[in-house]
Amino acid sequence: ETGVTQTPRHLVMGMTNKKSLKCEQHLGHNAMYWYKQSAKKPLELMFVYNFKEQTENNSVPSRFSPECPNSSHLFLHLHTLQPEDSALYLCASSQGGQGYTAFSYEQYFGPGTRLTVT
Amino acid sequence: KNEVEQSPQNLTAQEGEFITINCSYSVGISALHWLQQHPGGGIVSLFMLSSGKKKHGRLIATINIQEKHSSLHITASHPRDSAVYICAKGAQKLVFGQGTRLTINP
Repeated sequence: ETGVTQTPRHLVMGMTNKKSLKCEQHLGHNAMYWYKQSAKKPLELMFVYNFKEQTENNSVPSRFSPECPNSSHLFLHLHTLQPEDSALYLCASSQGGQGYTAFSYEQYFGPGTRLTVT
Repeated sequence: KNEVEQSPQNLTAQEGEFITINCSYSVGISALHWLQQHPGGGIVSLFMLSSGKKKHGRLIATINIQEKHSSLHITASHPRDSAVYICAKGAQKLVFGQGTRLTINP
């Protein structure tokens, strides 16, 4: 257990569905991240939040909409996805904060949500 | 060419062997991370380093800033070390290598 939980662990959705992924961290961190891991490709950063503010959007399509209501919770809202969006979506958290992006902190990862878009 | 390159992509060894996984990066870094991913997807951070060498149990990570190169070593390898090992560079905005799939046979 890393102190970062993700639900659901598996999700199958059609291209017209709307669903949400949830991440919660119990580590007292103030930075949270979404990553995507597709088959045969390296992990890719999607979004970074520091103190609930989005500080990084790695050119992610608008069909992925993140939400960070507080420093402990992070959501990824999904709508009108494509089959190529099928992947493992990982959440992580770390220390860090506004203006601290030059500092490096160890990241703690959740178990991931395996998403299949049909 | 990726910003972060790992070698080898796959590595199979016998229990007890000394393992080395290499990571090269193309531009300067604030930190270099080594991660371990087991089947099922969970990722654990092993090391974060910006200079020199770190050791944790049987794992050792080194980095040469001038050569833009890092290595992860495993001494006295064991089948439970079988996993994908990933290096990544950066502070919060991590850029990842492709990973090295390590299999240790008993």
